[in-house]
Amino acid sequence: GQQLNQSPQSMFIQEGEDVSMNCTSSSIFNTWLWYKQDPGEGPVLLIALYKAGELTSNGRLTAQFGITRKDSFLNISASIPSDVGIYFCAGHRTGGTSYGKLTFGQGTILTVHP
Amino acid sequence: DSGVTQTPKHLITATGQRVTLRCSPRSGDLSVYWYQQSLDQGLQFLIHYYNGEERAKGNILERFSAQQFPDLHSELNLSSLELGDSALYFCASTLRSTTDTQYFGPGTRLTVL
Repeated sequence: GQQLNQSPQSMFIQEGEDVSMNCTSSSIFNTWLWYKQDPGEGPVLLIALYKAGELTSNGRLTAQFGITRKDSFLNISASIPSDVGIYFCAGHRTGGTSYGKLTFGQGTILTVHP
Repeated sequence: DSGVTQTPKHLITATGQRVTLRCSPRSGDLSVYWYQQSLDQGLQFLIHYYNGEERAKGNILERFSAQQFPDLHSELNLSSLELGDSALYFCASTLRSTTDTQYFGPGTRLTVL
């Protein structure tokens, strides 16, 4: 099935470092979402972006909706051990057969060394 | 805790069998979405129900079916199971069918032996 191109696939960083990951698509999305998934759990919503160019923060997390509506990035500042997990971007289009459907990136596996 | 509940948490069964996965959406949410997560395919949308009616279908096999009941809980039925059906199955809910923010349940891990 169709997926967004998310990179990097994995990251190994030291505690305190900043992290950046992004998603790109060949298609336009109306909404970009970022989720975090811990092992054995469901994805948990981190940030939702609804307008092109929008920059939104949630604590140490900052995400932006690209102005072309085909990309988004997520930054995590001053990483801590509990940031470990898999981060997914997801895009949403309204209308047509895509109604209500989220398209997910492949995920970025984040490992934080204390 | 997202408020979405799924049962069972784990399910182990044999090829050819049929199973039913259950999802209760957050209180007040009318929409339920089902997703399959496997290692090779990632998170894939299966089907969407709103207030008891099917609204959209994604990559759902003909062997799979779903329904949403009057009390808004939903069931995903998987039949003639194959080894490749082993995966995590998530449901998510939203208030309205057009609401973008989907809240996910903890998932059901299905293992087909």
